[in-house]
Order: sequence, then C-alpha cells, then structure tokens
Amino acid sequence: QKEVEQNSGPLSVPEGAIASLNCTYSDRGSQSFFWYRQYSGKSPELIMFIYSNGDKEDGRFTAQLNKASQYVSLLIRDSQPSDSATYLCAASEGSNYKLTFGKGTLLTVNP
Amino acid sequence: GAVVSQHPSWVICKSGTSVKIECRSLDFQATTMFWYRQFPKQSLMLMATSNEGSKATYEQGVEKDKFLINHASLTLSTLTVTSAHPEDSSFYICSARTGTPNEQFFGPGTRLTVL
Repeated sequence: QKEVEQNSGPLSVPEGAIASLNCTYSDRGSQSFFWYRQYSGKSPELIMFIYSNGDKEDGRFTAQLNKASQYVSLLIRDSQPSDSATYLCAASEGSNYKLTFGKGTLLTVNP
Repeated sequence: GAVVSQHPSWVICKSGTSVKIECRSLDFQATTMFWYRQFPKQSLMLMATSNEGSKATYEQGVEKDKFLINHASLTLSTLTVTSAHPEDSSFYICSARTGTPNEQFFGPGTRLTVL
C-alpha cells in the first residue's frame, strides 16, 4: 500500500514568517513529488514539483527532497494571509503517472 | 499555463438518475486524464485513469459499471455516474497530464449532490 503522510495541522504562522510543511512517503519507487495548494471548496492548484534530491526554489516557495529519508518538505517564505489553504503533498511512481496524495496540512497565516 | 475545464461546476439530481461530467484540456492535448473524488475533509482519491482511445483503468474498489469513463479525444474525457445514490454525493475532480512527465493540472471540480 503506497502511502503519503502529512501532519493534518492546523499549522498557524504569523504573516511574514516562514511556514514549513512536511511529508513522508512509503514507496521507495516514487520518483516525482508534487505540492498542491487547495482552497476550501476549490480544486488543487500545482505549486511546484521536485524530482531530484536537494532543494528547488520558485519565488517564495522552496521544495526539499531527501529520497534516503523518504521525506519531502515545502517552505513558504514571507507567508501571506492569502497562503492560508490546505497543502497537499503527492508522490508519483513515474511509470503510470498516477498520484498518491496525502491528506493535506491546513495552513493558517495570521495577519 | 495549462488550463483544464469541467462542466457542470455543480449538479443536483434525484436518486437513480445518471449524471455526466465533462473534462476538457483547453490549451493542450492530454493523452492521459485522471478522475478523482474528494469527500469533505478528505484527500483526493484516484478513481480511474483515462487514456485517449482506450478503456479506462479503474482503481481497486471503484465500480466500472457505475462510473463510466469515455476519453473520446485528446481534449475531452467524460465521467458518467449511473444510477446515482446519495452516497455518491461528492466533489469530482479531473486532471490532465501535460507533455512534461508527471505534471498534472486539475479542473475546477464538479460538486454532485444526489437527493
């Protein structure tokens, strides 16, 4: 059973702080990892993806991947109230492109 | 960026009726589309993988005769919920895979309520 685990939160940070979201996965065959943001009542929106060990930066977002530890994280710098949402971590085996989602972490950024 | 649309955005139907949901990739061709279901406060659960011109592949526990999927073209996939019952009420979301390996973009979702 392939599983992706996330702390459900809620994670509460003040505006301007760094929000750190974590995710672990069970399938060592997973090759690609994705972070999606989902506002209440809306569908997920792709934030970024990462394939290789290390860090990947895109604007205020940094994804980190450690395949040895089977761990993925997302850092959001200078958090804004508009970042308040549920963040979904997903892993893909690669050969069939199917995504396995975690249950999501609810982030609240307080003004 | 890649845009995926869904229609309708919400639907209310009586128990026993069938409902069709359309998923379209607007600015790219999608060889593979996926259908998910999300219950309140739950994560997305993959229902099936839809490939253009071939039969859909259903996940374990998903009834293929109840959830009919057709992927007639590179830009359109449809999900038909047949003989819907109240327990089928959920948020149905499609996604489409772009040419970049593994990137999936999601449609806005269809909220189905079965009375």
